Amino acid sequence: DAKTTQPTSMDCAEGRAANLPCNHSTISGNEYVYWYRQIHSQGPQYIIHGLKNNETNEMASLIITEDRKSSTLILPHATLRDTAVYYCIVRAPNNAGNMLTFGGGTRLMVKP
Amino acid sequence: DAMVIQNPRYQVTQFGKPVTLSCSQTLNHNVMYWYQQKSSQAPKLLFHYYDKDFNNEADTPDNFQSRRPNTSFCFLDIRSPGLGDAAMYLCATSRVRNSYEQYFGPGTRLTVT
Repeated sequence: DAKTTQPTSMDCAEGRAANLPCNHSTISGNEYVYWYRQIHSQGPQYIIHGLKNNETNEMASLIITEDRKSSTLILPHATLRDTAVYYCIVRAPNNAGNMLTFGGGTRLMVKP
Repeated sequence: DAMVIQNPRYQVTQFGKPVTLSCSQTLNHNVMYWYQQKSSQAPKLLFHYYDKDFNNEADTPDNFQSRRPNTSFCFLDIRSPGLGDAAMYLCATSRVRNSYEQYFGPGTRLTVT
């Protein structure tokens, strides 16, 4: 599996866009980029995923570079409730191991 | 609307005393997972069920077992809890086997005294 690298922590002002980067320079052609987040004392929550095209849903946007070696999760208008650890995961969908491997993640602190 | 339910939210057990954590789901998903998350660490997969097919991760200790009596319920049994087993235990489901869009429950925090 492609290894991911994320900053340990980030701050964001409430109401501003939060841009969370992820490097996955060894990603393979069939591997997707998934983002989850975990709010304190809760289970992880699926946010979004993509292969090569940019994706948007009601929670966030995912921007994947053309060479697919990095991506950015964008929370367009961060709120205090978006304070969480954000995990970037790269995995091939048909991998027999079926494991969702969480790395260190980025601890996002949204401040008033 | 609760989708993945874990009971209890907090469980205290004594060193060596067997304990069972439960998980139920209203999503009718085929796959159910158990993760262990220790303090300040990322979740780590212990095992999963695809329907009734049990799949153990290679490094999951034998002390951890699981049962899935039907589609909706899955149990995590810790036969002889040690102090190192104190953690948050997370249950998750997915509709299909190779999906990484998993739905997590709130977790059960286990304390071993």
